[in-house]
Amino acid sequence: QKEVEQNSGPLSVPEGAIASLNCTYSDRGSQSFFWYRQYSGKSPELIMFIYSNGDKEDGRFTAQLNKASQYVSLLIRDSQPSDSATYLCAVNMGSGGYNKLIFGAGTRLAVHP
Amino acid sequence: DVKVTQSSRYLVKRTGEKVFLECVQDMDHENMFWYRQDPGLGLRLIYFSYDVKMKEKGDIPEGYSVSREKKERFSLILESASTNQTSMYLCASSFGLPETQYFGPGTRLLVL
Repeated sequence: QKEVEQNSGPLSVPEGAIASLNCTYSDRGSQSFFWYRQYSGKSPELIMFIYSNGDKEDGRFTAQLNKASQYVSLLIRDSQPSDSATYLCAVNMGSGGYNKLIFGAGTRLAVHP
Repeated sequence: DVKVTQSSRYLVKRTGEKVFLECVQDMDHENMFWYRQDPGLGLRLIYFSYDVKMKEKGDIPEGYSVSREKKERFSLILESASTNQTSMYLCASSFGLPETQYFGPGTRLLVL
């Protein structure tokens, strides 16, 4: 069973702090990794993807990937109340020529003023 | 800008009814997907399609079927709705390297 694990939270951080969201995955052969943000009652929206070991930065967001440890994380710098949402980690675990995303159940982030 | 639309935001149906959920994308994407999302379970793949008239079962296809007659449109069909199909249904289309999925607004279905 191919799995993606996230802590459900809630992760509570003060405004202006760094929020750190973590995700582990079971398939060592996975090549691409995605972070989505989902506000309550809305659909997931893509924040960023990463496919090379190391860090990838996009504005206040940094994705970190460690394939040896099968671990991917998302850092949100200078957290704002508007960042309060559920963050979904998704891993491409396709095989047989098809790409297939497996989603974690999400981590709920609460940024308080 | 990627645009994926779904025919209804909210839908209420009765047990045993046949239900059609429509999804349209305007970006000429090859790949389209149907998921359902339930609290604590995350997104689960129902069906996907990599080409017109082509379909593949996902992880939870039981009780569902799909249709893709045109590239831009991917329909999810509940042949005989049941209360355990009450859920949020999300359609996505994808492109690029790595292949990246973009979601529609979702349809919240209630089966009574």
